[in-house]
Amino acid sequence: AQRVTQPEKLLSVFKGAPVELKCNYSYSGSPELFWYVQYSRQRLQLLLRHISRESIKGFTADLNKGETSFHLKKPFAQEEDSAMYYCALSEGVQGAQKLVFGQGTRLTINP
Amino acid sequence: DAGITQSPRHKVTETGTPVTLRCHQTENHRYMYWYRQDPGHGLRLIHYSYGVKDTDKGEVSDGYSVSRSKTEDFLLTLESATSSQTSVYFCAISDGATGGYTFGSGTRLTVV
Repeated sequence: AQRVTQPEKLLSVFKGAPVELKCNYSYSGSPELFWYVQYSRQRLQLLLRHISRESIKGFTADLNKGETSFHLKKPFAQEEDSAMYYCALSEGVQGAQKLVFGQGTRLTINP
Repeated sequence: DAGITQSPRHKVTETGTPVTLRCHQTENHRYMYWYRQDPGHGLRLIHYSYGVKDTDKGEVSDGYSVSRSKTEDFLLTLESATSSQTSVYFCAISDGATGGYTFGSGTRLTVV
């Protein structure tokens, strides 16, 4: 079965330090992966998807099929990055794609 | 405005009572989803819909039913609420093309 694992429930780093949130997945086909973020008292919102290879708010994520990973990285953390981050994998064919989420990592950026 | 609203935002109910949560969208998206969010579990899919009157079960569907009589509305019903259904419930919509979801603000449900 498809599975997404985020090994760190909590991650705390200092402002200006690099950040890496880990995500590993298991999927038999060609995966489509996403990172979602939930800021305090806000709805979940899409941060980035591996297909577009874009950088949002300084975050990047590279799909490593050999290691089945999709880690989220940012070279210099900012206080406003404090939030809950979810890695998600899309299963199903084009259309009713169901997202399978990891357990989430709560990132805290210390001043 | 994200084009998706959930109601109510908060609800406290007693064990054994029926509860219905509503998700309303103005985006005319075909696909709608209900997830529950619990600490340590992330978000888990309850039910989803791929069109009017077309629904299917997700990972944690036991104790829940859904209905979609109009494109814009997707209802989640707890027939007889239990304490294990205390959670935050999120609705999401998708056009099926981009692969990403737009989420509602969530409904915090407490079953006492």
